Amino acid sequence: QSVLTQSPSASGTPGQRVTISCSGSSSNIGDNNIYWYQQLPGTAPKLLIYWNNQRPSGVPDRFSGSKSGTSASLAISGLRSEDEADYYCAAWDDSLSAWVFGGGTKLTVL
Amino acid sequence: QVQLVQSGAEVKKPGASVKVSCKASGYTFSNYLITWVRQAPGQGLEWMGWISAYNGNTKYAQKLQGRVTMTTDTSTSTAYMELRSLRSDDTAVYYCARVSGSGATYYYYMDVWGKGTTVTVSS
Repeated sequence: QSVLTQSPSASGTPGQRVTISCSGSSSNIGDNNIYWYQQLPGTAPKLLIYWNNQRPSGVPDRFSGSKSGTSASLAISGLRSEDEADYYCAAWDDSLSAWVFGGGTKLTVL
Repeated sequence: QVQLVQSGAEVKKPGASVKVSCKASGYTFSNYLITWVRQAPGQGLEWMGWISAYNGNTKYAQKLQGRVTMTTDTSTSTAYMELRSLRSDDTAVYYCARVSGSGATYYYYMDVWGKGTTVTVSS
C-alpha cells in the first residue's frame, strides 16, 4: 500500500482534458510540495511537474499541476496518444522522513 | 548533456550482494545529491535513499537500513548502491536520479534519471 493514493487507471480520447488525482495527508502533501513523474512504457520515470505547478523546460504547457490541502491533481489538456503512460505523484513525508510515491495511474488514450 | 549511465543487469542468488553503479556526466557531480529508487515488476516506485556527492552524507529508507550502502567516487563522478542479503522481493529495476532543489527537503526533486538496472534474485 502506497502512502499517497492514486486511482489505478484513467482514460480519455485525443484532444480531451483528463485529470489525475493524488491524495495524501498533512505529513506529506498537506505541508510539502508535490511532484509528478511520467513513465512511458519500458522507460525510466521523467520529471513532469515540480514544486506543485512548475514545469521543467521541455515539458509542454498541456501539463499542469495543482494542490489543495492534502490532495493534488495533474491535468493534461489536448490529450495525445503519446501521453499514454504511468503517472506517479511524489512528496516528502515529514513523519516517515522519506520520499513517498503514489501507486501510479495508468493513462490510456482511447 | 546531463546524463546518468547505469551498469548492466545482474542476476544474483538469495543471500548474495549486488552493487550497481551510476556514472554522471554533463554537470558538476559534487554539487548534487544522488538518490536511488527501485521498481519491482509491475509495481510502483519505491524510494531507497540518497547520498550527497559533496560530503558523502547519506539518508536511507528505514525499510532498507542495515542492508543498503550508498557511496560515491568523485574522481570518476560515479555513485554506487550496494544491497546485501538479497531476497526474491528485491527483484526490481533500480534507478539512480540526480536531486535538484535547495533549502528544505521538500524542495528537492529528482530531475534527471538513469535508464535503470535490472536486478534479478533467483535461486
